[in-house]
Amino acid sequence: DIQMTQSPSSLSASVGDRVTITCRTSRPIVTFLAWFQQIPGKAPKLLISAASTLQSGVPSRFSGSGSGTDFTLTISGLQPEDAATYYCQKYNSAPHTFGQGTKVEVK
Amino acid sequence: EVQLVESGGAVVQPGGSLRLSCLASGFTFEDYTMHWVRQAPGRGLQWVSLLNWNGHSTYYEDSVKGRFTISRDDSKNSLYLDMNSLRTEDTALYYCVRETAQLVLEDWGQGTLVTVSS
Repeated sequence: DIQMTQSPSSLSASVGDRVTITCRTSRPIVTFLAWFQQIPGKAPKLLISAASTLQSGVPSRFSGSGSGTDFTLTISGLQPEDAATYYCQKYNSAPHTFGQGTKVEVK
Repeated sequence: EVQLVESGGAVVQPGGSLRLSCLASGFTFEDYTMHWVRQAPGRGLQWVSLLNWNGHSTYYEDSVKGRFTISRDDSKNSLYLDMNSLRTEDTALYYCVRETAQLVLEDWGQGTLVTVSS
């Protein structure tokens, strides 16, 4: 099975900062990579599909990039409401494994 | 509006069994592949299983293979997860999730809590 490595596991940044989260797969998955945001006590929310396609209603400060084995989620201009845990997930084939998650704290 | 409502979560002893249900509404259930995803307390998301739209293909995460069975009843707009030989490490919030035509997990229920404890 393909392994997912997401980093960092946590980060703390200030309002307005640019934040980058990375996700690496052990084998290429083209762009079959999604990013989710989970606020405590809530179900995950899909932010980005196909590595870089922003879902409807998601603020444009979120962006995704990458293909093959290396992917990035960037938040440009961090806002207080972005405090959450972020997960990447591969979906090229089963198992649809998630990354370990990155907890983002907003100072 | 898509709605997914899970039920069936409970406290069960190790070795026990449980059936989770997910009632879907707001879309044509029979056209969609469905998944179960779980989250242990304070832990990350773990994909568990999927059943494709026509009911012909199922996939499972390695730790639940042979113990969990995913199924669906399109006449009842329902997805199920039969869980046997439950272990303490199966304790989690179980989410029912709809896969879109773009293959991503877009619509999530609120989850049902399974606690395996003696």
